[in-house]
Order: sequence, then structure tokens, then C-alpha cells
Amino acid sequence: KQEVTQIPAALSVPEGENLVLNCSFTDSAIYNLQWFRQDPGKGLTSLLLIQSSQREQTSGRLNASLDKSSGRSTLYIAASQPGDSATYLCAVWGQETSGSRLTFGEGTQLTVNP
Amino acid sequence: ETGVTQSPTHLIKTRGQQVTLRCSSQSGHNTVSWYQQALGQGPQFIFQYYREEENGRGNFPPRFSGLQFPNYSSELNVNALELDDSALYLCASSQDAKRINEQFFGPGTRLTVL
Repeated sequence: KQEVTQIPAALSVPEGENLVLNCSFTDSAIYNLQWFRQDPGKGLTSLLLIQSSQREQTSGRLNASLDKSSGRSTLYIAASQPGDSATYLCAVWGQETSGSRLTFGEGTQLTVNP
Repeated sequence: ETGVTQSPTHLIKTRGQQVTLRCSSQSGHNTVSWYQQALGQGPQFIFQYYREEENGRGNFPPRFSGLQFPNYSSELNVNALELDDSALYLCASSQDAKRINEQFFGPGTRLTVL
């Protein structure tokens, strides 16, 4: 059974810092990995999708890497802003006995202080 | 292009009641997945519907059931509500369950069971 872990659980940084969020997964047989952002009480916004054959994806100030063999992904946020404050969730698409599905970590709660 | 929509936004029920949550998939998507997110945790996969058939189920009891309609919208039904069913229920649509691709989430329905 796939398990996804995110470290740290919470992070508080001053505005302008570069930061890294970590995600690890136990089963490397994944189809892809997706990073999401969630604002309090809201739905999920997809940030980046990395296919299993890819090593990284970039969108603006965000860069996500994937090392499938070691079961790890990182989300790098450059020049953080107060508007980046949210919970960041990592999820992997994998095959379970009853079909394929996304398995999520518990998230990293990020606070960027002005 | 219309995104994923869910209704209602909030709902309050009492133990033992039944509830129906609704989801409209993004235009061009034929696959809908449902997730339950308890406070402070990552979303947990409930089940997925592909072309009106259940296409995978997570570790949820049979009192959680669903439907998908010919227009690919979907319903989640929960019978005999329990206090632990209080959560944010998220619906996600994707282009085709037979090709693992990006999931797009709706804003969620907040269910409170008293």
C-alpha cells in the first residue's frame, strides 16, 4: 500500500526566502506525481504535474523535481511572498488492487511573513 | 472552459441521516473521483467513476455510494451518517481514466455531522 510523507509539517519563513518542501513515497511504481496548493477551507489547486518519466517541472517561481527510484520529490519555491501562504500537498498516482488513484501526503503548512 | 463545480458548499446533518453531494466535471472530462479530507489531514480516496461505472474504490464502507450520469456529472451518497463523516468532500475530474493524467479539483463540500 502506497504511503506518502511530507516534511516539514509546518514552515514559517520571512518574505523573500527560497524554500524547499519535501515529499517521499514508499512505492516507486507510480504513474505521475502532482503538487497542489490548498487555501484554508478551500479545494485544491494543481501546481505542477510530473510524469514518471520526467525529472522536473517548472512554473514561474515553482520548480518540482522527482527521483522515482529513491521515492522522493521536492518543491522549490523561489523568492517567497505572503501570498504563497497555504498548505502544499503532494500526491502520487499509483495502482492499488482496486484500481489506480491519487494517494496524498498530509501536507506542509507554509506561512510567509511580510 | 468551465471548471469542476460542487454543491452544496456547506451542509449540516445529524447522525443517522442521509446526504447527497453533487459534482459537475470539467468540460471534456469523463472521469470523476471523490475524496474525503478530515481536518488537518490529506484527502483520502473514496471511489472513482468512469463512463458511469465505478472504476476503483478506497477503504470506505458500503454506506458510501455513488453515481455518474451520462453527462459525466456525479453524486456521492452517504447513508447512516456518523460523527466521523464530518469532513471536506472533494470531487476531481480528469480527461480519461484509461490514461493517467492531471486531476482537477472542485471547491469541495463541507459536511458537518452533529
